[in-house]
Amino acid sequence: QVQLVESGGGVVQPGRSLRLSCAASGFSFSSYAMHWVRQAPGKGLEWVAVVSFDGNIKYYPDSVKGRFTISRDNSKSTLYLQMNSLRAEDTAVYYCARDRVPIAAPGDWFDPWGQGTLVTVSS
Amino acid sequence: QSALTQPRSVSGSPGQSVTISCTGTSSDVGGYNYVSWYQQEPGKAPKLIIYDVSKWPSGVPDRFSGSKSGNTASLTISGLQAEDEADYYCCSYAGSYTWVFGGGTKVTVL
Repeated sequence: QVQLVESGGGVVQPGRSLRLSCAASGFSFSSYAMHWVRQAPGKGLEWVAVVSFDGNIKYYPDSVKGRFTISRDNSKSTLYLQMNSLRAEDTAVYYCARDRVPIAAPGDWFDPWGQGTLVTVSS
Repeated sequence: QSALTQPRSVSGSPGQSVTISCTGTSSDVGGYNYVSWYQQEPGKAPKLIIYDVSKWPSGVPDRFSGSKSGNTASLTISGLQAEDEADYYCCSYAGSYTWVFGGGTKVTVL
């Protein structure tokens, strides 16, 4: 069955970096765009990034643009999120989610999702 | 982009219907027919239940229905069941290849 498993979360000091991973299985990973979505404790969901099937096309919201980088290794069926210059407001559970198509499009939705990995930014 | 506006909570008795609103702007909800809804049970990952405003993914019961009018989308749960108790989030395309979610609504089955 389709499975997404995130890892790499933990406690990190403000200003430092962290890289998250999302291991995919049960589907042709290289055929789909992939997203990261986060959820701050007790808060709603926030879309964080998307990468095309080949890793060449990436989009971010203003809140993380210039600090976060999404990437993928199709040979390992793994999605990454490099997070630099972390802030307290980046504290959240980070989910990876599959797109419906190879390249992000307006009609996209997120399905399925992984179980998430918690990132805590604190001194 | 600002988050879409959802009521913090709604409740209903088993068998009743509840409706969750999701209000945005002409730059997101009102500008595109690309609203999706997600159900999140406590401690679990979100699950897609509606896409393209009113379409069902395979396996989702038709008790869940979606609609949109102007800048407001809505999710209706008919014949409310105990297992429907969860948080629900709307999401809309917001232009320039970005997406915006709502703040979430907690559904309580009385």
